[in-house]
Amino acid sequence: GNSVTQMEGPVTLSEEAFLTINCTYTATGYPSLFWYVQYPGEGLQLLLKATKADDKGSNKGFEATYRKETTSFHLEKGSVQVSDSAVYFCALSPTSGTYKYIFGTGTRLKVLA
Amino acid sequence: DADVTQTPRNRITKTGKRIMLECSQTKGHDRMYWYRQDPGLGLRLIYYSFDVKDINKGEISDGYSVSRQAQAKFSLSLESAIPNQTALYFCATSDRRSSYEQYFGPGTRLTVT
Repeated sequence: GNSVTQMEGPVTLSEEAFLTINCTYTATGYPSLFWYVQYPGEGLQLLLKATKADDKGSNKGFEATYRKETTSFHLEKGSVQVSDSAVYFCALSPTSGTYKYIFGTGTRLKVLA
Repeated sequence: DADVTQTPRNRITKTGKRIMLECSQTKGHDRMYWYRQDPGLGLRLIYYSFDVKDINKGEISDGYSVSRQAQAKFSLSLESAIPNQTALYFCATSDRRSSYEQYFGPGTRLTVT
């Protein structure tokens, strides 16, 4: 079946450090892939997405590349800020029936000033 | 004003009580979803609805029921609450013309004692 595995947190970084949050998936066909972010006390917001292999999603300095050969969609940012502290969720939407997301367990990021 | 609203934002109830969580949206989307979030488990789909007459069970529907009163309103009921239903509940919406992105409400924190 479909599944998403992302690195466990919490991840604690100093401001301006490089961020990588790993995400791998299992799916048949060609799913769409997403990163959502949840700030404290809020719902999830779409951060970026990629709908086919080799696509790169980017937003707010974050990037992730859809790698079909390694079934991965790792989230990266070159220089994190304190305001990036949040929980990050990797998710996929299967090829058939785009309504049904499969979410990873979430990775909490804490950025220290 | 927020596009997806949830009421109440916080609720404490006792075992055996009936409780309803409400979701309203002003995005004009046809699809609505209810998820629960538990620490270490990510988000899991409880129910989803493609329109007023189309309601479907998700992966963890036992103990829950839903009602789609109008295109803009989707409520979740716990007929007889139990402590392991203590969780953060999210409503989300999407548009069939752009099914990839789901828009989330701010969440309802439910505690069953």
